[in-house]
Order: sequence, then C-alpha cells, then structure tokens
Amino acid sequence: DTGVSQNPRHKITKRGQNVTFRCDPISEHNRLYWYRQTLGQGPEFLTYFQNEAQLEKSRLLSDRFSAERPKGSFSTLEIQRTEQGDSAMYLCASSLGVGTNYGYTFGSGTRLTVV
Amino acid sequence: KQEVTQIPAALSVPEGENLVLNCSFTDSAIYNLQWFRQDPGKGLTSLLLIQSSQREQTSGRLNASLDKSSGRSTLYIAASQPGDSATYLCAVSGAGSYQLTFGKGTKLSVIP
Repeated sequence: DTGVSQNPRHKITKRGQNVTFRCDPISEHNRLYWYRQTLGQGPEFLTYFQNEAQLEKSRLLSDRFSAERPKGSFSTLEIQRTEQGDSAMYLCASSLGVGTNYGYTFGSGTRLTVV
Repeated sequence: KQEVTQIPAALSVPEGENLVLNCSFTDSAIYNLQWFRQDPGKGLTSLLLIQSSQREQTSGRLNASLDKSSGRSTLYIAASQPGDSATYLCAVSGAGSYQLTFGKGTKLSVIP
C-alpha cells in the first residue's frame, strides 16, 4: 500500500467553474477526512466519512461544496462555482479508527488556485 | 472548543544544534497528539503519535513529550540538519471527537 493518494496535485481554474478532487485512502482504513489549509495556517477540518456515511460537515463546508465516498472506498470533493477565496491546499487523510491508538495518515494534497 | 498554539512561529538555528518546539492545547481531554512535518507546497508527514496515556515517544533524532494535565507537548530535535528544514505542525485528537485540531506550525530553518 502506498499511502493516501490525491489527484490532481495542482488545479488552476477560472472563477465560477466547478472542480472535483479525488482521494484514495489506505485500503484498510474505514475513516476518511477532508481538510483545507490556507497559507500560514494549520489545516482545518471540512468533513468526515465512516465507510460510505458522511457523519459530519464543518461550517466551513458551504453549499457549494459536496463530498462523496461511494462504496466506502475513494472519495471525491467537488466545489461548484469556485470563488477566489476557495484557493487553498485540500488535504485528505484516513485512519483505521478513532481513539488513542489511531493516528491519521495524510495525502500530498491538491493545491487549488482560482483565478 | 479546542485551541492549539505553537511557539515559536519561526526558528532559525545553525546545523548541529539541538532544538525544542512547543505546542500547547486548551482542552486536556484528548485521545492523542501527533506531530507532523510539512515541506513547502506538500502534504503532511506523520512524525510521532503520543497516546494520551503516554509521556513520550522517540523516533531517531526526534523525541516528543506530552504533559496532558498542563496541556503541553514538546518536540525535541537532536543534532539538527539542513534536511530538517520544514514546518512542524502539532495536532490533537479530542476525546469523543474524530477531528484533528492543528496549531499554525513552527517554520524551522537549519542553516548549514
């Protein structure tokens, strides 16, 4: 297993366009998370899946954002009608569980630039 | 609401020095604390995971300590090298929550 994989690595889009990112977690991890990181800040939580169920969404996740995890495998994050404020690094992470023994493994991220 | 603070925001040291990065958190009810490394424009690489019942963890030249009662953790880097230059992030996993709460990181520069 090569870890958490994210595609694309970079995406430049014009304001108003829709974009979609993909995350492939570590295969045995049933928990999947999306985070967003802007320059000089730590990552901020966006949403969380346990298997295929989306159990929590942050207030940061406006109506223009939607995430899916069909069949509990890979996940997609779509942003509709992109705005310049959406420019950020979008990070995906996965874990085997939640609790003291469980750490999070992050992917390399997708850097979005909205022009 | 959990808040994580990292001090200093930036640190520059000559090669070979030992150094300490600090992390503090406001809610001591945590599952664990992780230290991550982030190179410019890249994702996060996990360095060390300290469970809430543990006091420290070691990996090579890295040693992380945890004092849950006082809400503090330190990351000690021995004999620093230019390749250690990166941003180091501390994150806590709260009891009863699946979210990681991050600090803003400490940007480390090791000068040859």
